Amino acid sequence: KAGVTQTPRYLIKTRGQQVTLSCSPISGHRSVSWYQQTPGQGLQFLFEYFSETQRNKGNFPGRFSGRQFSNSRSEMNVSTLELGDSALYLCASSTGQGAILVETQYFGPGTRLLVL
Amino acid sequence: SQQGEEDPQALSIQEGENATMNCSYKTSINNLQWYRQNSGRGLVHLILIRSNEREKHSGRLRVTLDTSKKSSSLLITASRAADTASYFCATGPLAGGTSYGKLTFGQGTILTVHP
Repeated sequence: KAGVTQTPRYLIKTRGQQVTLSCSPISGHRSVSWYQQTPGQGLQFLFEYFSETQRNKGNFPGRFSGRQFSNSRSEMNVSTLELGDSALYLCASSTGQGAILVETQYFGPGTRLLVL
Repeated sequence: SQQGEEDPQALSIQEGENATMNCSYKTSINNLQWYRQNSGRGLVHLILIRSNEREKHSGRLRVTLDTSKKSSSLLITASRAADTASYFCATGPLAGGTSYGKLTFGQGTILTVHP
């Protein structure tokens, strides 16, 4: 099976702009989680989607949003970019089914966002 | 906020030596997972251990879990230069809650294996 793919891999934006990142999960996986990784804060959970529904959201401002499509592909959007949004954004997919809240997550290569 | 601490923050060893990394966490968990990350790229899943398991092996990896101490260790035996990476532990929440899809990560251990 193909792994998790993320596009674009690199992105440079300026403050105040908005950005959309895309994630395609492993075929058959219905759960997609997003994380932000920075040197200072480490890996922080943004949100999780399952069957087009957001089931969980981390402690990020409303400028960070996401959605999931019927084919399980997911996008996240950051509006009004700030310098502090510079980070590696990782998405991860899993089956998302069953009583276990988090099984093994398979990560994509990430999108590195630089805000100038 | 991070679930726990990893120790040491950095580890430097020679090829062929064993590397041990420790992870502590704060809340009750369903499972604990270890991931590897090479130089700011995506995370690679190494192993998952459930809360009712005490030890698990996968190739050169051995993971232990002590839920009474809320701690885990990852042992890499006979290390290779290719093992050079950052290693993260991540905890999965208990079932029955609402923390879907959320792994809580430690700060990671940077492992350098010298040829």
